[in-house]
Amino acid sequence: DTAVSQTPKYLVTQMGNDKSIKCEQNLGHDTMYWYKQDSKKFLKIMFSYNNKELIINETVPNRFSPKSPDKAHLNLHINSLELGDSAVYFCASSQGEYSNQPQHFGDGTRLSIL
Amino acid sequence: GQSLEQPSEVTAVEGAIVQINCTYQTSGFYGLSWYQQHDGGAPTFLSYNALDGLEETGRFSSFLSRSDSYGYLLLQELQMKDSASYFCAVNYGGATNKLIFGTGTLLAVQP
Repeated sequence: DTAVSQTPKYLVTQMGNDKSIKCEQNLGHDTMYWYKQDSKKFLKIMFSYNNKELIINETVPNRFSPKSPDKAHLNLHINSLELGDSAVYFCASSQGEYSNQPQHFGDGTRLSIL
Repeated sequence: GQSLEQPSEVTAVEGAIVQINCTYQTSGFYGLSWYQQHDGGAPTFLSYNALDGLEETGRFSSFLSRSDSYGYLLLQELQMKDSASYFCAVNYGGATNKLIFGTGTLLAVQP
């Protein structure tokens, strides 16, 4: 009964490949997020969706494309992977889009580019 | 620009009290959150302050002073399991729950 689940947990691939990370939440939340955590543990918001609508789109290369088929799922597709994309990617969700709502994080996807 | 400053590392002994400070400079501010992250794990929510003052949740308390752009997390009766990274994060999106995270403080609890 995992609250926010991401797959895969580990992803090792070569530069130039295209890969996807999936995220699902069973908390009944309306808002979902993607974060990137680099090797120095700096955690940065990438995207957020509320009820399948994009509400946050940070300065992220357009090789990164999120997709929310329904409010319980938010996937991240990455084209033409680069060495600098190596990081841990966290999915999160919150009850709503307002600032007092705690965010619940998945366990992360560790992406390594060779 | 946006910046949040935290000490990079703090060391304390079991049973002690430790305070982790956070100063911020952001273009918007709706509240200050704190998250805990164990090595290799997911960030987990600890507390949120929107107004000045102290919020207490068990052994953990969080304080905010909006006029000083400053907050802290206070951990009491430290346990070994409290060894983790602690992040302050400013909620600055208003109608979007947008968080800017600090650089994190690595807390090491020693026996």
